[in-house]
Amino acid sequence: AQSVAQPEDQVNVAEGNPLTVKCTYSVSGNPYLFWYVQYPNRGLQFLLKYITGDNLVKGSYGFEAEFNKSQTSFHLKKPSALVSDSALYFCAVRDPSKAAGNKLTFGGGTRVLVKP
Amino acid sequence: ETGVTQSPTHLIKTRGQQVTLRCSSQSGHNTVSWYQQALGQGPQFIFQYYREEENGRGNFPPRFSGLQFPNYSSELNVNALELDDSALYLCASSYTGGGGYTFGSGTRLTVV
Repeated sequence: AQSVAQPEDQVNVAEGNPLTVKCTYSVSGNPYLFWYVQYPNRGLQFLLKYITGDNLVKGSYGFEAEFNKSQTSFHLKKPSALVSDSALYFCAVRDPSKAAGNKLTFGGGTRVLVKP
Repeated sequence: ETGVTQSPTHLIKTRGQQVTLRCSSQSGHNTVSWYQQALGQGPQFIFQYYREEENGRGNFPPRFSGLQFPNYSSELNVNALELDDSALYLCASSYTGGGGYTFGSGTRLTVV
């Protein structure tokens, strides 16, 4: 069974400082990995994904993530955080095998608070 | 390119009632998935539809059911509502073989 862990419930960072949100995963095959952001009372907004290729993935709004197969991690990073980045962030994994279907498994989420 | 549209945005129902939630897929997508997001938690997979048939289901009881229509839009039906069914219900569309998912803004269901 596939699973995702986001070890930090909340991350606090000062505006302009680097932001990192951690994610580790477990899946039987080669994973498809995703990051989504959620603002209050809204749905999930896509940030980036890793399917194959370069381990460093660049996404929307200046975010990037690094796929590390040996550590089974896919941490989200932003070099300089903005107050508007304050939101709830979710990491998700999909097992691309046919038997697993298109199911996404999400982590519990990490709340990011960027202080001015 | 249209996104994923869900209706209604908010809904209040009484325990024991039935509810139907609706989702219009993004243009070009042929697969629809539904997720339940309880307060303070990550989304949980309910089920997925492809070619109008359910082809994957999470750990949800049979009173959660769905439909997919020829235009790839979808419905989620929940019978005999329980207080614990109160949650944000998210619809996601995707294209089989592709890697991307587009989520709607969700329907907030409150069961009283």
